[in-house]
Amino acid sequence: ETGVTQTPRHLVMGMTNKKSLKCEQHLGHNAMYWYKQSAKKPLELMFVYNFKEQTENNSVPSRFSPECPNSSHLFLHLHTLQPEDSALYLCASSQAGASYNEQFFGPGTRLTVL
Amino acid sequence: GDSVTQMEGPVTLSEEAFLTINCTYTATGYPSLFWYVQYPGEGLQLLLKATKADDKGSNKGFEATYRKETTSFHLEKGSVQVSDSAVYFCALNSPPLGATNKLIFGTGTLLAVQP
Repeated sequence: ETGVTQTPRHLVMGMTNKKSLKCEQHLGHNAMYWYKQSAKKPLELMFVYNFKEQTENNSVPSRFSPECPNSSHLFLHLHTLQPEDSALYLCASSQAGASYNEQFFGPGTRLTVL
Repeated sequence: GDSVTQMEGPVTLSEEAFLTINCTYTATGYPSLFWYVQYPGEGLQLLLKATKADDKGSNKGFEATYRKETTSFHLEKGSVQVSDSAVYFCALNSPPLGATNKLIFGTGTLLAVQP
């Protein structure tokens, strides 16, 4: 595997379910990110992890719970979601510390909440 | 705060037409600037970047020049193809020293190229 991978690619869940999204990066980066991409809205940064420590939480509801066990893996745990949480969830990674370091994105998980 | 403004789409062009997608930014400090592309059903891919004033980023026939005096980073391509149909995002990154990179994205511009 190369780059940034995300599983599953598609997920349908009910509002009472608990599920997790997984992201893995094979690039040796030290920062990882979760974004939410909804139709007709700008890309929303949700969480940032730098060397496994959460450095940013952009007022995300507590029904989204991130976990970063090491610099290569990032999870997003989901519980009691709402239909408006349906979106494409993108994971990205980068080398932190310099503004010229681009972020590399995974293909995303398309989440549908019924 | 820092922000990016892109022209609204969709932009519809015929094959081999000239493309310009406008992007302007507001930032404190000295940001790096990026164009990302998102093809249908995929994540974002870096298209090109520029890290200082007057730099020109280029890739796959696309170009953009970092213009500090006009705070702009317009994307251009001389002759588009149907395969260029995608959503294009302008972004900037100007973290404080030692901070994690945080990209600020524009809203995206949908490009549709017709044969």
